[in-house]
Amino acid sequence: NAGVTQTPKFRILKIGQSMTLQCTQDMNHNYMYWYRQDPGMGLKLIYYSVGAGITDKGEVPNGYNVSRSTTEDFPLRLELAAPSQTSVYFCASSHGSDRYSNQPQHFGDGTRLSIL
Amino acid sequence: GIQVEQSPPDLILQEGANSTLRCNFSDSVNNLQWFHQNPWGQLINLFYIPSGTKQNGRLSATTVATERYSLLYISSSQTTDSGVYFCAVEPETDSWGKLQFGAGTQVVVTP
Repeated sequence: NAGVTQTPKFRILKIGQSMTLQCTQDMNHNYMYWYRQDPGMGLKLIYYSVGAGITDKGEVPNGYNVSRSTTEDFPLRLELAAPSQTSVYFCASSHGSDRYSNQPQHFGDGTRLSIL
Repeated sequence: GIQVEQSPPDLILQEGANSTLRCNFSDSVNNLQWFHQNPWGQLINLFYIPSGTKQNGRLSATTVATERYSLLYISSSQTTDSGVYFCAVEPETDSWGKLQFGAGTQVVVTP
């Protein structure tokens, strides 16, 4: 009964380094999302996917890339880390049909990322 | 884009008290969800409630979609209710389950 699993939980990067945040879900959800949460704020959508092979930009996609080769996995890639990307990153998933999500969104526990 | 406003921004409760959190949104929505972020940062989905009323234990929620607001009721509050409560909506003009979050209500329940 794992739900949405994110790794790593914490990471410190130097400016200019790259890394991949991993996200996997075992609920057979077709919709998956990446959000970032800055201190004292709500969540903002980075990228989303409605199925394997299909991804699209959210509200704040600059500096990030994603891929979705399987239903289960939705990794988020930071290519050139910048201090502005210091944040907590959440992956989420839900079931959707006919362009709408008709079930609750389930979240992973988050990855706390610091860029120094 | 759609505006999602939550009130109050902060709330301090004594254990056992009741409270109401409000979420106003500026446009029509496909769905609305309430989340609790606990002090460890975990986000838990409390309600998926595009319209009507739902109850889950001491928590209940009501969404009046035609008037563009939702209410979250906490009854007989406990210290474990502390954390931030977020309202999130999927705008009707958007799709694919993409959520817009409010800024949250920070709740502290004291013993």
